[in-house]
Amino acid sequence: DADVTQTPRNRITKTGKRIMLECSQTKGHDRMYWYRQDPGLGLRLIYYSFDVKDINKGEISDGYSVSRQAQAKFSLSLESAIPNQTALYFCATSDQGSGRKSEQFFGPGTRLTVL
Amino acid sequence: DQQVKQNSPSLSVQEGRISILNCDYTNSMFDYFLWYKKYPAEGPTFLISISSIKDKNEDGRFTVFLNKSAKHLSLHIVPSQPGDSAVYFCAASVVGGSEKLVFGKGTKLTVNP
Repeated sequence: DADVTQTPRNRITKTGKRIMLECSQTKGHDRMYWYRQDPGLGLRLIYYSFDVKDINKGEISDGYSVSRQAQAKFSLSLESAIPNQTALYFCATSDQGSGRKSEQFFGPGTRLTVL
Repeated sequence: DQQVKQNSPSLSVQEGRISILNCDYTNSMFDYFLWYKKYPAEGPTFLISISSIKDKNEDGRFTVFLNKSAKHLSLHIVPSQPGDSAVYFCAASVVGGSEKLVFGKGTKLTVNP
């Protein structure tokens, strides 16, 4: 079983719709992250959370919101989707108690298309 | 402004030869560096890392070299295998700070049989 799962894996939606992407992990990690990947731009951090009560904006948080429902669950919402939010979205986790805190473990990704 | 740069979008090498992937950074506060490998339709997977107190870290066929004065690191793969064909991302963080990872844009490596 995968340690970090993302649902859905693929989603096509229309401009203006509200979309939620979900991430669950069984690694027991306290830290969770949302990234987007665009062709030629690498991975950019949207939001991150160091525990259930801690939410922080990343470099491209405009147009997105997140919810950390439990230590194992971190969801990303697009309140009103627009075409330039078409991208590949990745969830990641890391362990603050580890000696290698910076090492992050990624889910398989969600491909989102906004028409 | 891009803090982590991978200036080669792609690299092609022959099986059995060495692959060298390069990465430059501008933020002198970065003190931990990682390489991730990504296959199509999968998430990035951790490959190897190096702390700024070292200049070399080796794991099997993979070696990462760090030149702090030049703010440059490289990933060497020897010998290269067709299964190494993937996109490689360089990432950097500040240990003890937020430890957010800052990624480069990636280099697509193709290893030809």
